[in-house]
Amino acid sequence: SSELTQDPAVSVALGQTVRITCQGDSLRSYYASWYQQKPGQAPVLVIYGKNNRPSGIPDRFSGSSSGNTASLTITGAQAEDEADYYCNSRDSSGNHLGVVFGGGTKLTVL
Amino acid sequence: EVQLVESGGGLVQPGGSLRLSCAASGFTFSSYDMHWVRQATGKGLEWVSAIGTAGDTYYPGSVKGRFTISRENAKNSLYLQMNSLRAGDTAVYYCARVVVAAKGNYYMDVWGKGTTVTVSS
Repeated sequence: SSELTQDPAVSVALGQTVRITCQGDSLRSYYASWYQQKPGQAPVLVIYGKNNRPSGIPDRFSGSSSGNTASLTITGAQAEDEADYYCNSRDSSGNHLGVVFGGGTKLTVL
Repeated sequence: EVQLVESGGGLVQPGGSLRLSCAASGFTFSSYDMHWVRQATGKGLEWVSAIGTAGDTYYPGSVKGRFTISRENAKNSLYLQMNSLRAGDTAVYYCARVVVAAKGNYYMDVWGKGTTVTVSS
């Protein structure tokens, strides 16, 4: 079982705001990173650290964290944002290489 | 251009072995931790293995003792030796570059396109 928990599916109306959450004990100590994956494609990093976007990621994507929960927010969702989203962080092993992914959230833009 | 290109996937019988490769270019390969991540059809991402810049390695329980990650910095290459393969190992395997940030935080900022491994008789 995953140490990071995500809702399996979320939907949002075009142009509206949606928040995707990720829960886990490691998030009390470490930030989550977030990845977008479209069908047949490799994952793409969209948010990392406290709230950082790689070059090329639209500013409608933002991240936040509180307690054991990390959130990815899309403000003004677009049709092209329909994808699977995964959170990722350190696992609970204490090994500096150990990581874990959330189960993923399928975002549907209506 | 920073790039990772996986190769070596294919069809293998249960109990067999396969060696995946990941060719890195456009960055100083030796300076980065590297990971393998897999994804079975219709399933989520699953972390498979990691190797640090010092050559230290780590695995989840699902592959520990069967998979071995290694790197050859002189060739800018990452490898995954997979032994005793099972049907459950069937997946697309991705290599990913890791950036280690402050206070133990990190992120996977570059991913390859993946190579497909099918374990079937």
